[in-house]
Amino acid sequence: GAGVSQTPSNKVTEKGKYVELRCDPISGHTALYWYRQSLGQGPEFLIYFQGTGAADDSGLPNDRFFAVRPEGSVSTLKIQRTERGDSAVYLCASSLDRTGGGAVFGEGSRLTVL
Amino acid sequence: AQSVTQPDIHITVSEGASLELRCNYSYGATPYLFWYVQSPGQGLQLLLKYFSGDTLVQGIKGFEAEFKRSQSSFNLRKPSVHWSDAAEYFCAVVGGTASKLTFGTGTRLQVTL
Repeated sequence: GAGVSQTPSNKVTEKGKYVELRCDPISGHTALYWYRQSLGQGPEFLIYFQGTGAADDSGLPNDRFFAVRPEGSVSTLKIQRTERGDSAVYLCASSLDRTGGGAVFGEGSRLTVL
Repeated sequence: AQSVTQPDIHITVSEGASLELRCNYSYGATPYLFWYVQSPGQGLQLLLKYFSGDTLVQGIKGFEAEFKRSQSSFNLRKPSVHWSDAAEYFCAVVGGTASKLTFGTGTRLQVTL
């Protein structure tokens, strides 16, 4: 597609539930990034994929968070046993190369955990 | 590890006035530097980037930024602000072999008519 597409745009869930957030990057972009943006803060890095593999997952806060990109295009961020502190906007970005910047961001998925 | 400081949380300028948003970075070598803009309910849009070469970088929407190694700064400027420039502005850095962006906490720009 023309841009990075993220679904759902909004997700409200209850504490303890499982959530999946999807990112459809720009066609041909091999690098894909997930960031989390809490209210009043800048985005914080979660994980970076180069192709199908996670090249850097150092930003994942704990083992409740997991992300996959099985075919090197669409990626899914998975959050188990959600907590209220997970409430944030989850941003996905993709780029042609691994410089990290110049990446194109999606509009984000806003997650609210009640 | 790299870091970014945006000392101004909120700035208000009059339409037509000039603008400068401050950004200071911490990194041992020459980093890659970026400015992004985020309008309410929208994703981040890249305004400009610095990789190497000319330290004055031109971007979209009439913005420019100057890399000053001696001051570890990458301030964003615009000669004449338009009401549509009201948004949140983020400075970011990528350092070394890392591919991830490290963002500042952002500066919210308000434009008065």
